[in-house]
Amino acid sequence: DAMVIQNPRYQVTQFGKPVTLSCSQTLNHNVMYWYQQKSSQAPKLLFHYYDKDFNNEADTPDNFQSRRPNTSFCFLDIRSPGLGDAAMYLCATSRDLGVGQPQHFGDGTRLSIL
Amino acid sequence: KQEVTQIPAALSVPEGENLVLNCSFTDSAIYNLQWFRQDPGKGLTSLLLIQSSQREQTSGRLNASLDKSSGRSTLYIAASQPGDSATYLCAVTNAGGTSYGKLTFGQGTILTVHP
Repeated sequence: DAMVIQNPRYQVTQFGKPVTLSCSQTLNHNVMYWYQQKSSQAPKLLFHYYDKDFNNEADTPDNFQSRRPNTSFCFLDIRSPGLGDAAMYLCATSRDLGVGQPQHFGDGTRLSIL
Repeated sequence: KQEVTQIPAALSVPEGENLVLNCSFTDSAIYNLQWFRQDPGKGLTSLLLIQSSQREQTSGRLNASLDKSSGRSTLYIAASQPGDSATYLCAVTNAGGTSYGKLTFGQGTILTVHP
């Protein structure tokens, strides 16, 4: 049974048209993460939520925003997607931050920009 | 800043062969190290997690070792099968600095096991 679920699996949007990616979890974990993974590259952390506290990475563009309305759901909003934002977006959860807690990943959403 | 390097970048082996994937990291202040598998177009599946106080973990045909002081880990796959073909990523959970509690990934090793 999938514990971290990402929707949709594939998303196509137009250059500059806002898009939202969704992640839900059944693990009741405190921390939710969003990663961007471009082709043949390592995943890059964009931001994470510890409960309701939002933590942005210093080099995450302002174009990327996130919402976590409750424990189970977290959204990634791209306000004005550019061609360089085409990538796989991975959501992950962990029970706590650090302290040896493993991260559990969803299957990702592959975003294409026309 | 933590850096994680995986060698080789790609590996092709015949079915049945035993193989070793290597991972090195520059900062030994880590909580743990994870090995992940990623199939094409898919997310990450955790294979093994080694806590910083441990030396190795085993799951089926997989064995991962950790030498924290030298900043190295290996993933050993016994009797490889075509179904093992995937990208293998290692990642450390940082215990200090500005990346506290966060994962730093290597670039991955693309493994192909041919029949």
